Amino acid sequence: GIQVEQSPPDLILQEGANSTLRCNFSDSVNNLQWFHQNPWGQLINLFYIPSGTKQNGRLSATTVATERYSLLYISSSQTTDSGVYFCAVERDRDTGFQKLVFGTGTRLLVSP
Amino acid sequence: DAGVIQSPRHEVTEMGQEVTLRCKPISGHDYLFWYRQTMMRGLELLIYFNNNVPIDDSGMPEDRFSAKMPNASFSTLKIQPSEPRDSAVYFCASSFRDRGSNQPQHFGDGTRLSIL
Repeated sequence: GIQVEQSPPDLILQEGANSTLRCNFSDSVNNLQWFHQNPWGQLINLFYIPSGTKQNGRLSATTVATERYSLLYISSSQTTDSGVYFCAVERDRDTGFQKLVFGTGTRLLVSP
Repeated sequence: DAGVIQSPRHEVTEMGQEVTLRCKPISGHDYLFWYRQTMMRGLELLIYFNNNVPIDDSGMPEDRFSAKMPNASFSTLKIQPSEPRDSAVYFCASSFRDRGSNQPQHFGDGTRLSIL
């Protein structure tokens, strides 16, 4: 099956710093989502980004599907950004099959 | 708009007992997914439904697990009998297709299950 690798596995930042998280995938994908799992365990949708670039406040994401990677940028980080960031990809759109395969995540800690 | 609603939020029970997890998808979504999250295996898909019909249950770990979707607004995941290794967070998610394109999945808050 498709492999999804995220880097770095762990990241510690000082509040106000910027960071880039990376997601590599081993095969063609039709869809890609970024999630933030907060310290309470909730999975929050950040971006639905099969290709191109999107921005939402201090966060932005870019997916280059032809090169099989996606990047999540966090600018001016805040302590509330702490948690685990997951990339998840999906294949087989032709059959209507919807199966999200998750990466192992990047654990982010933002200290004040 | 209400998101995906799961209940209970926490469940602690003894080994051998039956456990039932519940999910209400977002109205209008015709795909429903059950995931399990553990430290060892991360987030993995157990089963998913389309229009209340189970499409792929290849992720269901064994016969002790079963899932149903009697109508468009309700699904259950049942474990009988439960074992300590079933302890995990179980998530339900829903989505829909728009003009042939899959839309993002939206997740509930999860059920944290502990089997003693």
